[in-house]
Amino acid sequence: QVQMVQSGAEVKKPGASVKVSCKASGYNILDKYIHWVRQAPGQGLEWMGWIKPNGGDTRYPPKFQGRVTMTRDTSISTAYMELTSLRSDDTAVYFCARDNNNNSFQYWGQGTLVSVSS
Amino acid sequence: QSALTQPRSVSGSPGQSVTISCTGTTRDIGAYNFVSWYQQHPGKAPKLILYNVTERPSGVPDRFSGSKSGNTASLTISGLQAEDESDYYCCSYAGFYTVFGGGTKLTV
Repeated sequence: QVQMVQSGAEVKKPGASVKVSCKASGYNILDKYIHWVRQAPGQGLEWMGWIKPNGGDTRYPPKFQGRVTMTRDTSISTAYMELTSLRSDDTAVYFCARDNNNNSFQYWGQGTLVSVSS
Repeated sequence: QSALTQPRSVSGSPGQSVTISCTGTTRDIGAYNFVSWYQQHPGKAPKLILYNVTERPSGVPDRFSGSKSGNTASLTISGLQAEDESDYYCCSYAGFYTVFGGGTKLTV
């Protein structure tokens, strides 16, 4: 069965960077795009971008351009999302999600809480 | 890419039907049939309940249905049950980008 398993919670200071991993299993990671979505406490879902594991192409919305980098290591079926210059309003749960080739997300990681505080 | 517009909250009694709207623009909902809906319980990852506007993944009850007209998509839940009480999010493809709605809290 398809699973997306993310790395554990992180606590960071303002200005630092964080890198969250998402290990895919149960399918060939090369076949499906992986998206990253975050959710601040009590807030809605916010799309952060996607990576095409087959080739490494990425797309980020303007809000995150220059601050987010999505990469992958296909040899271990793992995608990564790195966010730099962290601010307190980056405190959120970060999810990875597998695209079904129609911009819908049936498989999600369990979420990774990133807390940013001085 | 602005967020899609959803009502902050809706409510209904058990057995009734409710509809949640999701308004976008000609660059997202109006341009593509890649609209999906998610149910999210507190502390959990979102669950896909509709994709391609009207399609249901396996295991999702047919009480959940979707439609689209122009720049607005809608989720209708019929025969409301207590376990339907949750947050609901719409999502649309927007030409290489993806945009979510702000979320709607359904109270049953």
